[in-house]
This record gives sequence, C-alpha cells and structure tokens, in this order.
Amino acid sequence: KAGVTQTPRYLIKTRGQQVTLSCSPISGHRSVSWYQQTPGQGLQFLFEYFSETQRNKGNFPGRFSGRQFSNSRSEMNVSTLELGDSALYLCASSTGTDGEKLFFGSGTQLSVL
Amino acid sequence: QKEVEQNSGPLSVPEGAIASLNCTYSDRVSQSFFWYRQYSGKSPELIMSIYSNGDKEDGRFTAQLNKASQYVSLLIRDSQPSDSATYLCAFTGGGAQKLVFGQGTRLTINP
Repeated sequence: KAGVTQTPRYLIKTRGQQVTLSCSPISGHRSVSWYQQTPGQGLQFLFEYFSETQRNKGNFPGRFSGRQFSNSRSEMNVSTLELGDSALYLCASSTGTDGEKLFFGSGTQLSVL
Repeated sequence: QKEVEQNSGPLSVPEGAIASLNCTYSDRVSQSFFWYRQYSGKSPELIMSIYSNGDKEDGRFTAQLNKASQYVSLLIRDSQPSDSATYLCAFTGGGAQKLVFGQGTRLTINP
C-alpha cells in the first residue's frame, strides 16, 4: 500500500507570492490533516478535511486555506507569503475515526525569501 | 500553561541502556496518546499508541499512561544508535483528529 504523497518536496518563493501544496493520502483514508513544523514552534495544527469538508481548524490566519477533492486528495494554499511562513508543511492521513492514528507524508519544505 | 510538556533535552544515553522519555498534558478529556519518532530531515513516524491506563509493550518500546496524573512516558530498552532521533508525544484534544504535539525530546544513543 502506497504511503502519503506530498508534492512538491521543496519550494522557494518570495514575499507576497502565493503557493499551493498537494497531498495524496493513503488509499482508503478519508481524512487529511495539515501541520506546520518550525524549529521554534514545533508541530502546529493547521486544519483537517474529511469527506471534502473542513472538520477542524487551528489558529492560523485566513491566508492559510485548504480543500479536499472527492478522491480524498487535498491541497493547501498560502496567499501573500511572509518570511515567517518558511517551514516544513506536513500532511497526514487517517481513516477519520476519532482517535485513529495519523500517518505523515515526507512534507514540503517551503522557503520564503 | 502549555498543552503538552516534554522533558527537556537533549537526552544522551549509552548504547544498551534504557532511555526514558516523559510527557505531561493538560487536557483531562484526552483519550488517545501517541509517540512519534522523527529522524533529522524526515517526517514523524508513529511508533506507539496507547488508549488506556497502564503499560503497553511493543518490542523494545513500552508506553506508559497514567490519566489521573496526566502523564505518558516511553521507555526504550536496549537502546541502539539507530534510536537516535527526536521523539514527539501527542494526544487528541479539542476535536476529532486534531493531534496536539509536544516540542519533542532529542535523544542520542552513544555507542
């Protein structure tokens, strides 16, 4: 069974641009969660999608948005990039059952210059 | 108060010894607890989950949960250099599938 696939692996953008990250979950998993990881803040929850609906949202500004498609693939968008958005963005998939385990992709390393 | 507190690192343990990693959490409603291992430059990998009070063993790893004390720990027996990584504890809180992570403890196993 294939794991969680995230693309691209690396991105370099400049301030003010926008970026879209993609995540394909494990086959059969309907939940996709997104996390931001930085050395200073650790792993911070962004949002979770289940069956194309946003089910939970973390404390991030509205510049961070996402969506999920009918095949459970998910995209995350960040508009008007800021230097502080430089981070590793991780996608995690699960079946969506309460308390179920999350499986992470390799992440997208975003650098904002 | 932070939602999750992990014992400060880095932690250095000689090969073959027991490594002990600790985590306390503030949300009394939490029901599911996890330990993830993250090698440098890699993504977190689930190594243990525990849902009820007591011990759960899986190979060289033992997770311990005490809900009354709001405490979860991970013991690694016969530590190997390949166990050198950052260990993250996490629990569900605030809604389904929202995992709250600790800052992580960097563990180094010295040959």
